[in-house]
Amino acid sequence: QKEVEQDPGPLSVPEGAIVSLNCTYSNSAFQYFMWYRQYSRKGPELLMYTYSSGNKEDGRFTAQVDKSSKYISLFIRDSQPSDSATYLCAINNAGNNRKLIWGLGTSLAVNP
Amino acid sequence: EAQVTQNPRYLITVTGKKLTVTCSQNMNHEYMSWYRQDPGLGLRQIYYSMNVEVTDKGDVPEGYKVSRKEKRNFPLILESPSPNQTSLYFCASTFGSGQVYSPLHFGNGTRLTVT
Repeated sequence: QKEVEQDPGPLSVPEGAIVSLNCTYSNSAFQYFMWYRQYSRKGPELLMYTYSSGNKEDGRFTAQVDKSSKYISLFIRDSQPSDSATYLCAINNAGNNRKLIWGLGTSLAVNP
Repeated sequence: EAQVTQNPRYLITVTGKKLTVTCSQNMNHEYMSWYRQDPGLGLRQIYYSMNVEVTDKGDVPEGYKVSRKEKRNFPLILESPSPNQTSLYFCASTFGSGQVYSPLHFGNGTRLTVT
Protein backbone atom coordinates (compact mmCIF):
# COMPACT_ATOMS: atom_id res chain seq x y z
CA GLN A 1 0.00 0.00 0.00
CA LYS A 2 1.35 3.42 -0.92
CA GLU A 3 1.81 5.88 1.93
CA VAL A 4 -0.27 8.50 0.13
CA GLU A 5 -2.93 7.77 -2.48
CA GLN A 6 -4.44 10.41 -4.71
CA ASP A 7 -6.77 9.90 -7.66
CA PRO A 8 -5.02 11.46 -10.68
CA GLY A 9 -8.29 12.33 -12.41
CA PRO A 10 -8.61 14.16 -14.71
CA LEU A 11 -11.48 16.05 -13.17
CA SER A 12 -13.52 18.39 -15.36
CA VAL A 13 -16.14 20.73 -13.89
CA PRO A 14 -18.14 23.76 -15.05
CA GLU A 15 -17.24 27.19 -13.77
CA GLY A 16 -18.86 27.91 -10.41
CA ALA A 17 -18.92 24.26 -9.28
CA ILE A 18 -17.72 23.08 -5.90
CA VAL A 19 -14.68 20.88 -6.31
CA SER A 20 -13.56 18.22 -3.86
CA LEU A 21 -10.02 16.84 -4.10
CA ASN A 22 -8.91 14.05 -1.82
CA CYS A 23 -5.98 12.03 -0.56
CA THR A 24 -5.78 9.05 1.74
CA TYR A 25 -2.73 8.08 3.75
CA SER A 26 -1.64 5.04 5.66
CA ASN A 27 0.59 6.23 8.52
CA SER A 28 -1.24 7.61 11.55
CA ALA A 29 1.96 9.39 12.66
CA PHE A 30 1.62 11.96 9.87
CA GLN A 31 0.89 15.38 11.29
CA TYR A 32 1.36 18.04 8.62
CA PHE A 33 -0.85 18.06 5.57
CA MET A 34 -0.21 20.33 2.63
CA TRP A 35 -1.80 21.11 -0.69
CA TYR A 36 0.31 22.37 -3.55
CA ARG A 37 -1.01 23.70 -6.84
CA GLN A 38 0.94 23.19 -10.06
CA TYR A 39 0.08 25.08 -13.22
CA SER A 40 1.19 23.71 -16.56
CA ARG A 41 4.91 24.27 -17.20
CA LYS A 42 5.42 25.64 -13.69
CA GLY A 43 6.70 24.35 -10.39
CA PRO A 44 4.32 23.52 -7.53
CA GLU A 45 3.37 26.30 -5.11
CA LEU A 46 2.03 25.87 -1.60
CA LEU A 47 -1.69 26.55 -1.43
CA MET A 48 -2.56 25.57 2.13
CA TYR A 49 -1.34 23.50 5.03
CA THR A 50 -2.99 22.14 8.15
CA TYR A 51 -1.59 20.61 11.27
CA SER A 52 -3.26 17.59 12.83
CA SER A 53 -7.04 17.51 12.48
CA GLY A 54 -9.65 20.05 11.58
CA ASN A 55 -10.46 22.57 8.90
CA LYS A 56 -8.65 25.57 7.54
CA GLU A 57 -10.24 28.12 5.26
CA ASP A 58 -8.61 30.65 2.93
CA GLY A 59 -10.96 32.49 0.63
CA ARG A 60 -12.59 29.96 -1.72
CA PHE A 61 -10.35 27.14 -0.48
CA THR A 62 -10.95 24.87 2.51
CA ALA A 63 -8.54 22.17 3.64
CA GLN A 64 -9.93 19.43 5.84
CA VAL A 65 -8.18 16.63 7.73
CA ASP A 66 -9.90 13.58 9.16
CA LYS A 67 -7.21 11.73 11.10
CA SER A 68 -9.56 8.98 12.21
CA SER A 69 -10.17 8.03 8.57
CA LYS A 70 -6.67 9.06 7.38
CA TYR A 71 -8.32 11.22 4.77
CA ILE A 72 -7.60 14.78 3.68
CA SER A 73 -9.63 16.99 1.37
CA LEU A 74 -9.33 20.27 -0.44
CA PHE A 75 -12.57 22.01 -1.35
CA ILE A 76 -12.76 24.80 -3.91
CA ARG A 77 -15.93 26.88 -3.89
CA ASP A 78 -17.12 28.88 -6.90
CA SER A 79 -14.41 27.34 -9.05
CA GLN A 80 -12.86 29.53 -11.75
CA PRO A 81 -11.05 28.68 -14.99
CA SER A 82 -7.91 30.05 -13.30
CA ASP A 83 -8.17 27.14 -10.84
CA SER A 84 -7.35 24.72 -13.68
CA ALA A 85 -4.16 23.04 -12.51
CA THR A 86 -2.82 19.89 -10.92
CA TYR A 87 -3.31 19.71 -7.16
CA LEU A 88 -0.81 17.69 -5.14
CA CYS A 89 -1.21 16.66 -1.55
CA ALA A 90 1.96 16.37 0.51
CA ILE A 91 2.18 14.88 3.96
CA ASN A 92 4.94 14.97 6.52
CA ASN A 93 5.97 12.93 9.48
CA ALA A 94 7.29 15.53 11.90
CA GLY A 95 9.88 13.07 13.12
CA ASN A 96 11.61 13.12 9.74
CA ASN A 97 12.87 16.60 8.88
CA ARG A 98 11.56 17.98 5.59
CA LYS A 99 10.62 14.53 4.33
CA LEU A 100 7.45 15.08 2.37
CA ILE A 101 5.41 12.19 1.03
CA TRP A 102 3.72 13.35 -2.18
CA GLY A 103 0.52 12.28 -3.83
CA LEU A 104 0.56 11.87 -7.60
CA GLY A 105 -1.62 14.94 -8.11
CA THR A 106 -5.16 15.40 -9.44
CA SER A 107 -5.55 17.26 -12.71
CA LEU A 108 -8.46 19.72 -12.59
CA ALA A 109 -10.03 21.56 -15.53
CA VAL A 110 -12.64 24.24 -14.83
CA ASN A 111 -14.59 24.99 -17.98
CA PRO A 112 -16.04 28.46 -18.62
CA GLU B 1 11.39 39.27 -7.01
CA ALA B 2 11.87 36.24 -4.77
CA GLN B 3 12.48 33.25 -6.94
CA VAL B 4 14.22 29.97 -7.65
CA THR B 5 15.88 30.00 -11.05
CA GLN B 6 16.74 26.84 -12.92
CA ASN B 7 18.67 26.60 -16.16
CA PRO B 8 18.22 25.39 -18.76
CA ARG B 9 14.43 24.98 -19.12
CA TYR B 10 14.85 22.33 -21.81
CA LEU B 11 17.79 20.05 -22.47
CA ILE B 12 18.26 17.23 -24.95
CA THR B 13 21.45 15.23 -24.63
CA VAL B 14 22.94 11.86 -25.47
CA THR B 15 23.77 8.96 -23.20
CA GLY B 16 27.00 9.43 -21.30
CA LYS B 17 27.54 13.14 -21.91
CA LYS B 18 28.02 14.88 -18.59
CA LEU B 19 25.65 17.72 -17.84
CA THR B 20 24.85 20.18 -15.09
CA VAL B 21 21.51 21.76 -14.28
CA THR B 22 21.92 24.95 -12.30
CA CYS B 23 19.68 26.20 -9.51
CA SER B 24 19.91 29.53 -7.76
CA GLN B 25 17.67 31.17 -5.15
CA ASN B 26 17.66 34.78 -3.98
CA MET B 27 15.76 34.32 -0.70
CA ASN B 28 18.72 33.41 1.53
CA HIS B 29 17.17 29.99 2.15
CA GLU B 30 19.19 27.40 4.05
CA TYR B 31 17.38 24.37 2.66
CA MET B 32 17.50 23.37 -1.02
CA SER B 33 16.40 20.21 -2.76
CA TRP B 34 16.16 18.52 -6.14
CA TYR B 35 13.15 16.52 -7.31
CA ARG B 36 12.24 14.64 -10.42
CA GLN B 37 8.63 14.35 -11.57
CA ASP B 38 7.51 11.41 -13.69
CA PRO B 39 4.00 10.33 -14.80
CA GLY B 40 2.62 7.69 -12.48
CA LEU B 41 5.47 8.18 -10.01
CA GLY B 42 4.94 11.77 -8.95
CA LEU B 43 7.56 13.94 -7.27
CA ARG B 44 10.56 12.08 -5.90
CA GLN B 45 13.39 13.69 -4.00
CA ILE B 46 16.88 13.20 -5.42
CA TYR B 47 19.14 15.10 -3.03
CA TYR B 48 18.75 17.83 -0.47
CA SER B 49 20.96 20.27 1.39
CA MET B 50 20.31 21.82 4.78
CA ASN B 51 23.11 24.37 4.43
CA VAL B 52 26.41 25.11 2.75
CA GLU B 53 28.59 22.00 2.45
CA VAL B 54 25.79 19.82 3.92
CA THR B 55 24.08 17.51 1.44
CA ASP B 56 22.22 14.23 1.79
CA LYS B 57 20.55 11.63 -0.36
CA GLY B 58 16.84 11.65 -1.03
CA ASP B 59 14.81 8.75 -2.32
CA VAL B 60 16.35 8.38 -5.79
CA PRO B 61 19.99 9.60 -5.68
CA GLU B 62 21.55 7.00 -8.01
CA GLY B 63 23.20 8.58 -11.05
CA TYR B 64 23.17 12.11 -9.63
CA LYS B 65 25.59 14.35 -7.78
CA VAL B 66 25.11 17.69 -6.09
CA SER B 67 27.25 20.30 -4.40
CA ARG B 68 26.50 23.25 -2.12
CA LYS B 69 29.50 25.54 -2.09
CA GLU B 70 27.45 28.70 -1.79
CA LYS B 71 24.16 29.26 -0.01
CA ARG B 72 22.31 30.46 -3.10
CA ASN B 73 23.41 27.76 -5.58
CA PHE B 74 22.67 24.04 -5.70
CA PRO B 75 23.66 22.48 -9.04
CA LEU B 76 22.56 19.00 -10.09
CA ILE B 77 25.19 16.99 -11.94
CA LEU B 78 24.60 13.96 -14.13
CA GLU B 79 28.03 12.47 -14.72
CA SER B 80 26.90 9.88 -17.26
CA PRO B 81 23.23 10.42 -18.15
CA SER B 82 21.11 7.48 -19.22
CA PRO B 83 17.67 7.36 -20.89
CA ASN B 84 15.98 6.45 -17.58
CA GLN B 85 16.97 9.91 -16.33
CA THR B 86 14.69 11.50 -18.89
CA SER B 87 12.36 13.47 -16.65
CA LEU B 88 11.12 16.84 -15.45
CA TYR B 89 13.41 18.18 -12.75
CA PHE B 90 12.58 20.73 -10.08
CA CYS B 91 14.76 22.61 -7.67
CA ALA B 92 13.14 23.88 -4.47
CA SER B 93 14.20 25.90 -1.46
CA THR B 94 12.89 27.03 1.91
CA PHE B 95 14.10 28.70 5.08
CA GLY B 96 15.42 26.77 8.04
CA SER B 97 16.18 23.06 8.13
CA GLY B 98 13.58 21.51 10.34
CA GLN B 99 10.35 23.42 9.89
CA VAL B 100 8.21 20.83 8.22
CA TYR B 101 5.46 23.32 7.46
CA SER B 102 7.61 25.97 5.76
CA PRO B 103 6.59 26.33 2.13
CA LEU B 104 8.83 24.96 -0.54
CA HIS B 105 9.54 27.45 -3.32
CA PHE B 106 10.00 25.66 -6.62
CA GLY B 107 11.72 26.66 -9.81
CA ASN B 108 9.88 26.30 -13.12
CA GLY B 109 11.50 23.02 -13.98
CA THR B 110 14.03 21.58 -16.42
CA ARG B 111 12.75 19.14 -19.02
CA LEU B 112 15.61 16.71 -19.69
CA THR B 113 15.62 14.20 -22.53
CA VAL B 114 18.44 11.66 -22.76
CA THR B 115 18.63 9.74 -26.04
